[in-house]
Amino acid sequence: AQTVTQSQPEMSVQEAETVTLSCTYDTSESDYYLFWYKQPPSRQMILVIRQEAYKQQNATENRFSVNFQKAAKSFSLKISDSQLGDAAMYFCAYRSALGGADGLTFGKGTHLIIQP
Amino acid sequence: NAGVMQNPRHLVRRRGQEARLRCSPMKGHSHVYWYRQLPEEGLKFMVYLQKENIIDESGMPKERFSAEFPKEGPSILRIQQVVRGDSAAYFCASSPRGGGQANSYEQYFGPGTRLTVT
Repeated sequence: AQTVTQSQPEMSVQEAETVTLSCTYDTSESDYYLFWYKQPPSRQMILVIRQEAYKQQNATENRFSVNFQKAAKSFSLKISDSQLGDAAMYFCAYRSALGGADGLTFGKGTHLIIQP
Repeated sequence: NAGVMQNPRHLVRRRGQEARLRCSPMKGHSHVYWYRQLPEEGLKFMVYLQKENIIDESGMPKERFSAEFPKEGPSILRIQQVVRGDSAAYFCASSPRGGGQANSYEQYFGPGTRLTVT
């Protein structure tokens, strides 16, 4: 079974600064997908960014980028120019590429605080 | 295009009662997933359904919990004889899943149903 570990229960960053959230995972599979989801106080789960394991290039979405290290099984999220609206819980998630095993495996989350 | 709809948003049940949670996937999506989020925890996968079929129920508790996704109508997560430990937020997600494209593997989440058992 796959596991996802987020070792930072809480992170704090000054507005406009850069912050990196850590995520490691354990799997014996070679093909899979990785995701970062954001959960603001409204509790709505919002997809931030995704990465296909077969792609070597790190995904980027505006101020959000990832550092995907497949050999190390690491998938960190970097948020540049942090904004107050980025304050939320952030969850790292894994999904197998095998057909029928589509359920996401989530980490326990990192609570991101933005200091004005 | 309306997003994933879940109702009710809040549900209060006494111990021993039944809880029915509904999920309407996004238009064009035929794959539905249910997750449970306990306080201070990440989401835990429960079950994956396609229309009229359960594909993966490896995360479902063996007793009292069941799920369906009929040909017509929303997906239903049913919890019989609820206990206090069932209090949690239950999220539904849907995906289009087709064509082998990466985008088809994205799961779009509903706003969740917060179940409180008193």
